Amino acid sequence: GNSVTQMEGPVTLSEEAFLTINCTYTATGYPSLFWYVQYPGEGLQLLLKATKADDKGSNKGFEATYRKETTSFHLEKGSVQVSDSAVYFCALSEDSGYALNFGKGTSLLVTP
Amino acid sequence: DAGVIQSPRHEVTEMGQEVTLRCKPISGHNSLFWYRQTMMRGLELLIYFNNNVPIDDSGMPEDRFSAKMPNASFSTLKIQPSEPRDSAVYFCASRAGLAGYNEQFFGPGTRLTVL
Repeated sequence: GNSVTQMEGPVTLSEEAFLTINCTYTATGYPSLFWYVQYPGEGLQLLLKATKADDKGSNKGFEATYRKETTSFHLEKGSVQVSDSAVYFCALSEDSGYALNFGKGTSLLVTP
Repeated sequence: DAGVIQSPRHEVTEMGQEVTLRCKPISGHNSLFWYRQTMMRGLELLIYFNNNVPIDDSGMPEDRFSAKMPNASFSTLKIQPSEPRDSAVYFCASRAGLAGYNEQFFGPGTRLTVL
């Protein structure tokens, strides 16, 4: 079956540090890959996505590249801000499927 | 657009009571999802509707849980009787179309506490 594995948190970084959150997946077909973010007390919202191999999703300074050869979709940001403190979820969905398979989430805390 | 609307935002009840959670999806979206989030189990898909029809309820924990979607603008998730282990945040999400690559839009969630 399909599954997503994320690095465990919490991750604590100083402001302006470089961020990487690792995500690897297992899928039977050719999934679309997503990063969702959850700010405290809120629902999840889409951060970025990629729908095929070698695609790069980007938004708000965050990037992730769909690597089929390593079945990975690592999230990166060059310089984090305090406002980036949140929980980040990697997810996949089969093209012909219907639901998202989520990783367990990685909590990020950025300190001034 | 107001986004996905959930009510109530917080619910505290006693074990054995019936709990009903409500969701209004984004207008025009024809797919609706109910998720449960706990520290131990993370995000779990409970049930999915397409065009008001339940497609997959394999994630519903047991018969105490039921979900309905009587029309395109309203869905309920009911727990009867409730138990302390049902305490969690319940999210509703909606999506336009069937394609897996389409974005799901999440509501703010209902935090349920069963005493």
